[in-house]
Amino acid sequence: QVQLQESGPGLVKPSGTLSLTCAVSGGSISSSNWWSWVRQPPGKGLEWIGEIYHSGSTNYNPSLKSRVTISVDKSKNQFSLKLSSVTAADTAVYYCARTYYYGSGSAAWYFDLWGRGTLVTVSS
Amino acid sequence: DIQLTQSPSFLSASVGDRVTITCRASQGISSYLAWYQQKPGKAPKLLIYAASTLQSGVPSRFSGSGSGTEFTLTISSLQPEDFATYYCQQLTFGPGTKVDIK
Repeated sequence: QVQLQESGPGLVKPSGTLSLTCAVSGGSISSSNWWSWVRQPPGKGLEWIGEIYHSGSTNYNPSLKSRVTISVDKSKNQFSLKLSSVTAADTAVYYCARTYYYGSGSAAWYFDLWGRGTLVTVSS
Repeated sequence: DIQLTQSPSFLSASVGDRVTITCRASQGISSYLAWYQQKPGKAPKLLIYAASTLQSGVPSRFSGSGSGTEFTLTISSLQPEDFATYYCQQLTFGPGTKVDIK
């Protein structure tokens, strides 16, 4: 069965770049799914960051678009997140998730598989 | 941008209670809504998608309904393992409803 595992530094300095990787095991990243990043600040709600298809096509949350890059490495069966110019407001648990589109509209989607999440703290 | 609101933000209930959570969208979203359950320190878990379709493996005491701008998640008989925070989701996530033990 497919599993997702996030990895990366747990501490990033302000103005630096947050970099995380999500390893996909038990299945291929080249399946007919998109792959997303979602974050959750401590004690707060969930925020979708963006998604990638194995072809390299991406969609980003407009509120973060200027700072986000999501990439895929099919040879390693993983995808990655880079978030630049981070501040304390970017401190959060970052989850990778499998995105499933079930209808004809771009809004007909859900996240059916999640990683365990990794806490990233932005602090000097 | 479509905004999602949830009510109540917090509810206290007992085992066996019927619980209903409402999610409202700022504009019509057809049936494009999902519901998630999240327990402390854990990733969210998909419960329902397309407003009313139960995800495989989710107990039948969970049900969803609605279309357009108003949606509900119902737990027919609350079990001890159901105490958690529930989120609705379309393009964005709702703010969440925490279900606590009375």
